[in-house]
Amino acid sequence: EAGVAQSPRYKIIEKRQSVAFWCNPISGHATLYWYQQILGQGPKLLIQFQNNGVVDDSQLPKDRFSAERLKGVDSTLKIQPAKLEDSAVYLCASNIGGQETQYFGPGTRLLVL
Amino acid sequence: QKEVEQDPGPLSVPEGAIVSLNCTYSNSAFQYFMWYRQYSRKGPELLMYTYSSGNKEDGRFTAQVDKSSKYISLFIRDSQPSDSATYLCAMRNYGQNFVFGPGTRLSVLP
Repeated sequence: EAGVAQSPRYKIIEKRQSVAFWCNPISGHATLYWYQQILGQGPKLLIQFQNNGVVDDSQLPKDRFSAERLKGVDSTLKIQPAKLEDSAVYLCASNIGGQETQYFGPGTRLLVL
Repeated sequence: QKEVEQDPGPLSVPEGAIVSLNCTYSNSAFQYFMWYRQYSRKGPELLMYTYSSGNKEDGRFTAQVDKSSKYISLFIRDSQPSDSATYLCAMRNYGQNFVFGPGTRLSVLP
């Protein structure tokens, strides 16, 4: 069974630029999560999708971050414009829904200069 | 006070040692507790999951939850160099999403 795929693995941008990350969850997983993990901290949930609907986006900085999950499969997370403090690893995770276990992808490491 | 706290380490132990990793939390409503292992430049992977108080054992790993003290632990017996990673605790209340601790970095020296 293929795991959660994310791309790109690394991205370096300058502040005020925009960036997008892509996630392909495990096949059949209805629930998809985006987390932000700043160096030395645990993952912080940004947004949770159930199929293509948003379940929880209470911690998503909506003035600059947006996410979508068209057709309930792949998802993209966008930052526009980026700030220095957005430097972090962005993790995507998925599960069937109702499960406790979340399966994480390898993450996208973002550096904002 | 942060909602979930962990000693950041790094914690260095010799191969074969018993390792104790701990988390404290402030929200008494948490009922579900997990331990994740995260290797460098990888996503977290689930190690142990427990509900409410008590112990759970899986091979060399034992998870303990003490809700009265708001304290959870992960014990690793016969630690191996392959156990070198960051260990994250996570917890939640019913119907809520998980809150992660900052992680403890463990290094097992051969």
